This record gives sequence, C-alpha cells and structure tokens, in this order.
Amino acid sequence: SQQGEEDPQALSIQEGENATMNCSYKTSINNLQWYRQNSGRGLVHLILIRSNEREKHSGRLRVTLDTSKKSSSLLITASRAADTASYFCATDEGAGGTSYGKLTFGQGTILTVHP
Amino acid sequence: EAQVTQNPRYLITVTGKKLTVTCSQNMNHEYMSWYRQDPGLGLRQIYYSMNVEVTDKGDVPEGYKVSRKEKRNFPLILESPSPNQTSLYFCASSLRGRGTGELFFGEGSRLTVL
Repeated sequence: SQQGEEDPQALSIQEGENATMNCSYKTSINNLQWYRQNSGRGLVHLILIRSNEREKHSGRLRVTLDTSKKSSSLLITASRAADTASYFCATDEGAGGTSYGKLTFGQGTILTVHP
Repeated sequence: EAQVTQNPRYLITVTGKKLTVTCSQNMNHEYMSWYRQDPGLGLRQIYYSMNVEVTDKGDVPEGYKVSRKEKRNFPLILESPSPNQTSLYFCASSLRGRGTGELFFGEGSRLTVL
C-alpha cells in the first residue's frame, strides 16, 4: 500500500513564484525524504528530514515535518523553468531512530514552471 | 564516478521468456532496492536487500525474484514475465545498511512484455 500521498497531483506556476507540495503518510517514520524526477529519468535525492526535526533548508528548498499530523511540505522558492519535474516524498518507516529498512514513495506531484 | 548501473535500459520480450535485469553499484553501499513505476501508481517497492545474502519483500514482490550474492550486484529476475509486468524499473542503493539515508537511483529499465 502507498505510504505517502502527495498533494496536489499537478501544479502549474510562473517563473519566480513559490511552489508548495504536501505529503501525508500513515505510519511512524524514521525520516522523510524528497526526490525529484525529470521525465523518464532516475530519481535524484533532494533533502532528508529526520523524525525529530521540524524544518530543514537546502538552497531554495524548505522542508517541514509535522509528525503529529503525519505530514510534510516541500517549498521551492523563486522557481525556475528548470525546476519543472515530478517531486516525490518517501518515508523511511521506523520508530525511535530505528529504520525498518523500507522506503516507500508517494505518487508524486508534477510541477510545471512556465518561463 | 559514483553510479548505479542497470541493464538493459530497454527490453521488449514475450510472455513466459525468463529475463534478468542487472543492477550494479560502485559505491560500496549495503542497501539496495528495486522499484517499479507505473502511471498513476508512483513507485512501488518490489524487493530490497540490507546486506549480502539478506533480501526482503517489498509491496509488490509477486512474479519477481532477487539475489544478493555480492555487495555490488542486485539482479532482478522475472522467471515467467507477464504483460502486467510491463513497467519502468529502477534499482537504487544507499550507504546505510537499513536504508535510512539518501537513495541513489539508476537510470531505469523500460520493460515491455507482449
């Protein structure tokens, strides 16, 4: 069964705008990760946030995690046409800092940034 | 260059003809995993391995086999492929034995079963 579910399924914005994608999950996690995929290519890791962290930044990316609501969000600021891709959250199921060894992906958000 | 290499990248085969998709990583990673990606279903985990000789089923293991005899290789075997196994397959690896860290993905293998 799918652990993470992204929202929205598709997002279309203009260059320079911010893009926010959300992810909800069902079980306890050790960490949550975000990945990017250009059409038909392999996924590329963007950022990892641990279950005891609430917010993390990396360049133009900001990730938040709310374990009480079992949700995370990915914010891309000042988007560029090159950010056009699919974005996936992935949950590393586990608890208490221990991973069960199973990383489960959501269905992804398709982001289109218009020049 | 650190990478995960899958072969073949593209394959068209017929129902029942056994095939193997190879996966090799050169990063000395302990954790390796196979996923399939289908439209509207995202990525679903087929099998994963936390170390040599240790493999576990993911969410959709039916119709697939794996082996992990060496640390660097994790082949995916389809003993008797069927059309519902037509998909885009990804191999991935991670440094940490329990898969807690960043996954490195191969470029994918697009399989069509007629």
